Amino acid sequence: GAGVSQSPSNKVTEKGKDVELRCDPISGHTALYWYRQSLGQGLEFLIYFQGNSAPDKSGLPSDRFSAERTGGSVSTLTIQRTQQEDSAVYLCASSFSGQGHEQYFGPGTRLTVT
Amino acid sequence: SQKIEQNSEALNIQEGKTATLTCNYTNYSPAYLQWYRQDPGRGPVFLLLIRENEKEKRKERLKVTFDTTLKQSLFHITASQPADSATYLCALPTGTYKYIFGTGTRLKVLA
Repeated sequence: GAGVSQSPSNKVTEKGKDVELRCDPISGHTALYWYRQSLGQGLEFLIYFQGNSAPDKSGLPSDRFSAERTGGSVSTLTIQRTQQEDSAVYLCASSFSGQGHEQYFGPGTRLTVT
Repeated sequence: SQKIEQNSEALNIQEGKTATLTCNYTNYSPAYLQWYRQDPGRGPVFLLLIRENEKEKRKERLKVTFDTTLKQSLFHITASQPADSATYLCALPTGTYKYIFGTGTRLKVLA
């Protein structure tokens, strides 16, 4: 079956521009995560969605970052006024319920801010 | 604060040998632990989950141990193959659904 998909796969943007990253989770998965992975670093938790509950935004590094999940499916991560330190791979993962279940990751979006 | 440590140095081993990777954690008592594999340019792929009441878990050539006293998990790949070359990440839940991931250990199996 289809896995988690993310688009675009690569994004180069100028400092100060806004970007939108998209994630299509596995159908039926109620939990959705966004992570950021910088070179040589571990995965940094950004935000978590579970069903219709309010998302856990505790990992968002600044108010320039926001995310939404429409209809309990597709999610969009938006970064406003991008900075060079935002350059990283942004990974999306979905899970059956989030509790004790494995996460299925997408291929990631490589963001480069010039 | 909770912390995970994996050997950041790459591990090079000869084909056919057993690779052993370590995941240590502090300030924490997780109910379970997960291991993932990540290939360059790809997202991590789930391999195994081991619970605190399980000392050992196996899946084909993979074996994971979980020592809650030492606060350590060991990940073994027996009869290693060049195709096993990848970065291996451990992940622990920090709450109901949130996880922290280690930085990963890069394994290279030499033919």
